Amino acid sequence: GIQVEQSPPDLILQEGANSTLRCNFSDSVNNLQWFHQNPWGQLINLFYIPSGTKQNGRLSATTVATERYSLLYISSSQTTDSGVYFCAVDLHTSGSRLTFGEGTQLTVNP
Amino acid sequence: EAQVTQNPRYLITVTGKKLTVTCSQNMNHEYMSWYRQDPGLGLRQIYYSMNVEVTDKGDVPEGYKVSRKEKRNFPLILESPSPNQTSLYFCASSHSGTGDGANVLTFGAGSRLTVL
Repeated sequence: GIQVEQSPPDLILQEGANSTLRCNFSDSVNNLQWFHQNPWGQLINLFYIPSGTKQNGRLSATTVATERYSLLYISSSQTTDSGVYFCAVDLHTSGSRLTFGEGTQLTVNP
Repeated sequence: EAQVTQNPRYLITVTGKKLTVTCSQNMNHEYMSWYRQDPGLGLRQIYYSMNVEVTDKGDVPEGYKVSRKEKRNFPLILESPSPNQTSLYFCASSHSGTGDGANVLTFGAGSRLTVL
C-alpha cells in the first residue's frame, strides 16, 4: 500500500514562531488532507489539498503532486496550535480509504 | 449541527465480552469508516462503507465486524474482544463530489476502549 512519511516527528516552538511540516507519500494520490488532533483527542480537518496551495488564516498548505509531497505552514504560532498534525492520502478522490502518516507532535510554549 | 456521534466515549470491558460501538452521522454522507489510533502507529483503517449494504475491509479488520443497514449508522462490533484491541477508535464520514466539503472526512469525538 501507499506509504506516508511525516517530518519532523516532534517540534517545539515558542509562541510567535513559524514552522513547516512536511508529508511525503510514495504514490500518486487524488486525495490529501491535513488534520489537527488537539490535546483532547479531537480530529479536525484543516485542508483538503490534493494539489496546489490553500490558505486559511495563519495556516497554509501546498501540495506538489508530481513530486509527491505536501507542506503545512503555521505562522505566528499560538499555544492553541499545540497537538498532533496528521497528513492523510488516498489514491481515490473520495477519501474513503485514507492512509495516515504517523503525525508531527507540535508543542507551542508561551 | 452537522456531526458524527460515537458511543460510548469510554469503555472498560473484559476479554471475550461482545461489545458494539455505535456511530451515527446526520449529514447524509454515503462514505463511512472506522479507524483505530495507537501510539506510534497513527490512524489505521479497520473497515469502510461506500453506501448502504456496501462494506469492505480496511488495513486492520481482524477481530471486527461492521454493518451498514441504514445510511446514517455504521456500528463497529467486537465479537470477542482481546487486550490487543485496546485502542482509541474513530468513526468518520464523507461525501463525494466537487462541491464545498466534498471528499473531506468529518470525525467523531473518539471512543477509548480498554480490554482487560
